[in-house]
Amino acid sequence: GAGVSQSPRYKVTKRGQDVALRCDPISGHVSLYWYRQALGQGPEFLTYFNYEAQQDKSGLPNDRFSAERPEGSISTLTIQRTEQRDSAMYRCASSALQLAASSYNEQFFGPGTRLTVL
Amino acid sequence: GQQVMQIPQYQHVQEGEDFTTYCNSSTTLSNIQWYKQRPGGHPVFLIQLVKSGEVKKQKRLTFQFGEAKKNSSLHITATQTTDVGTYFCAGPLTSGTYKYIFGTGTRLKVLA
Repeated sequence: GAGVSQSPRYKVTKRGQDVALRCDPISGHVSLYWYRQALGQGPEFLTYFNYEAQQDKSGLPNDRFSAERPEGSISTLTIQRTEQRDSAMYRCASSALQLAASSYNEQFFGPGTRLTVL
Repeated sequence: GQQVMQIPQYQHVQEGEDFTTYCNSSTTLSNIQWYKQRPGGHPVFLIQLVKSGEVKKQKRLTFQFGEAKKNSSLHITATQTTDVGTYFCAGPLTSGTYKYIFGTGTRLKVLA
C-alpha cells in the first residue's frame, strides 16, 4: 500500500476483554515499531521488530501486552485482560532496513488505533 | 519518565514571527530526529541529524544538533499558518539501540 495502515481505527472494549491491534507496514519495510501515545504527549516506545524478530520489548508495560510479526510483515499487538489505564492511541511505524543505529531511519507512522476501555 | 525534554511546551506566535523549540536529552544521542504532528494527525518525519554540530535547512526550517549530541533545536523563520502542530524530537537514548524516545513536544499555534 501507499502507507502504513492500522486496524481497527477505533476500538471500544469492556474491562477484562482481550484486544488485538493490527499494523500493516509499508511494503518492503524491515523495521516495525509500536508506540502508545497519550493525548498531548509524545509517542511512547513499546516494542520493535527487525523482520520477524522482536529486537526490543522493553517498553511493553507488563505481561498483558505482547506483539508478534510472524512473517516479517503484518504485526499484531495484543492486550489481554484490558484495563481502563490501557486507553490510549496505539501507533505503528515502519522503516527501511537499518544497518546501524545511526543509519538513516525515517519512521513512517500509521493513523493509529484509538483504544477505549470502559 | 521522559528523559528527552522540550521547551517551550506551548508557543503562540503571530504569523510572520520566528519560532524555536529546544530539545534536551539526559544522555548522548547517536542521532536525533524531528517530527511534526498536525492536530488529529500522526507524526510525520522531518529530518534526522547524526553528526555533532550538524546544521540542516529545509526551506524556512533550520535544524541543529549540539556539539555534545545531547541537545538539538528547530527554528522556523517567518511562520505560516501551515506550521501549526506539535513538534517532537526523538532519539535512541542508548547507543546501538533502535529504541527511540520521543520528547515532550512543543505545540505551536500561529495566529493569522
